[in-house]
Amino acid sequence: DAKTTQPNSMESNEEEPVHLPCNHSTISGTDYIHWYRQLPSQGPEYVIHGLTSNVNNRMASLAIAEDRKSSTLILHRATLRDAAVYYCILRADYGGSQGNLIFGKGTKLSVKP
Amino acid sequence: GAGVSQSPSNKVTEKGKDVELRCDPISGHTALYWYRQSLGQGLEFLIYFQGNSAPDKSGLPSDRFSAERTGGSVSTLTIQRTQQEDSAVYLCASSATGLGSPFFGEGSRLTVL
Repeated sequence: DAKTTQPNSMESNEEEPVHLPCNHSTISGTDYIHWYRQLPSQGPEYVIHGLTSNVNNRMASLAIAEDRKSSTLILHRATLRDAAVYYCILRADYGGSQGNLIFGKGTKLSVKP
Repeated sequence: GAGVSQSPSNKVTEKGKDVELRCDPISGHTALYWYRQSLGQGLEFLIYFQGNSAPDKSGLPSDRFSAERTGGSVSTLTIQRTQQEDSAVYLCASSATGLGSPFFGEGSRLTVL
């Protein structure tokens, strides 16, 4: 699986937007970009995923670069509950069977009141 | 149930004993994953099931670790002759076929004294 690079940590203020970057320069055509987050003492939680087009859901937006070598997870208004480790993961899909989710170190997001 | 269920939530055992950890995936999910997370560390992939077969066992750290899945549903992770370095949170996830993103349980915290 192709590797991703994320900053170790980021800080945000409550109620402000947060842009979490991820570089994946060796991404292949079958790799989907997945984002998970892990709150303290909990299992990872699915956030969003996409292939080429930007994606929006109730939790966040995912902006994917045209060359797919980078992406950005956007939290539109950070809350204290959004403080977590955010993982950007590439996962291959082979037309019905999935590759594994290989977690890196992620970005630890702190949200200040 | 509505989500991935893992049991026990906490297990304390003595070095050298065997332990079994159980995962009940989301109903209808055919893919099942085991990960472990040591204190302050990232998630380490252990094994992946598609149905009852395990196409990827590459993450099992030693032959003391084994896992099985029966009836395409419940999975058991067994650790024989536990060592102190086995202490970790063991996380299970499941996903539907196709492009489903895995959903995680809350984990089983194993402490080996």
